[in-house]
Amino acid sequence: GAGVSQTPSNKVTEKGKYVELRCDPISGHTALYWYRQSLGQGPEFLIYFQGTGAADDSGLPNDRFFAVRPEGSVSTLKIQRTERGDSAVYLCASSFSQGTGELFFGEGSRLTVL
Amino acid sequence: GIQVEQSPPDLILQEGANSTLRCNFSDSVNNLQWFHQNPWGQLINLFYIPSGTKQNGRLSATTVATERYSLLYISSSQTTDSGVYFCAVGPNSGGSNYKLTFGKGTLLTVNP
Repeated sequence: GAGVSQTPSNKVTEKGKYVELRCDPISGHTALYWYRQSLGQGPEFLIYFQGTGAADDSGLPNDRFFAVRPEGSVSTLKIQRTERGDSAVYLCASSFSQGTGELFFGEGSRLTVL
Repeated sequence: GIQVEQSPPDLILQEGANSTLRCNFSDSVNNLQWFHQNPWGQLINLFYIPSGTKQNGRLSATTVATERYSLLYISSSQTTDSGVYFCAVGPNSGGSNYKLTFGKGTLLTVNP
């Protein structure tokens, strides 16, 4: 596609529920990233994929968070047993180069946990 | 980890004015990017500039890596320039230069 596409744009869920957020990167971009942005803050790194593998998942806050990219294109961020503190905008980005180069962000998925 | 400080935190301009935004970072970097987050939340990449100077229309940026700072210049500002400007850096060590650390941003408001 022309840009990074994220769905859903908004997700409201109840505490304890399971959530999946999807990211479709720019065609041809091998590097994919997930960031999380809380109100009034800059985005924070969660995980980096190079191809199908998670090259660095050191930013995932705990084991309730997991992400996959099975075919090296679309990625899904999965959050189990959601907590109110998980409420944030989850941003996906992709880049052409192997880990460096310009990052192109999607519009984000705003998650609200009630 | 690397620290990123942006200044000023807030800036209000009249349309047509020029401005300079600053980004200081605490360690050596080989990845530095400037982004504009518009009022709808979309992050737009302005510059990939780990060193040197680049210009794109009314915007230009300079990074002096040896002194650990970068500057973003906005000339002849327009109301559409309003939003938050973020500087983000990736460290020059440990093989993790892809892992960007963002500053807290500069909130720019351009009034007509």
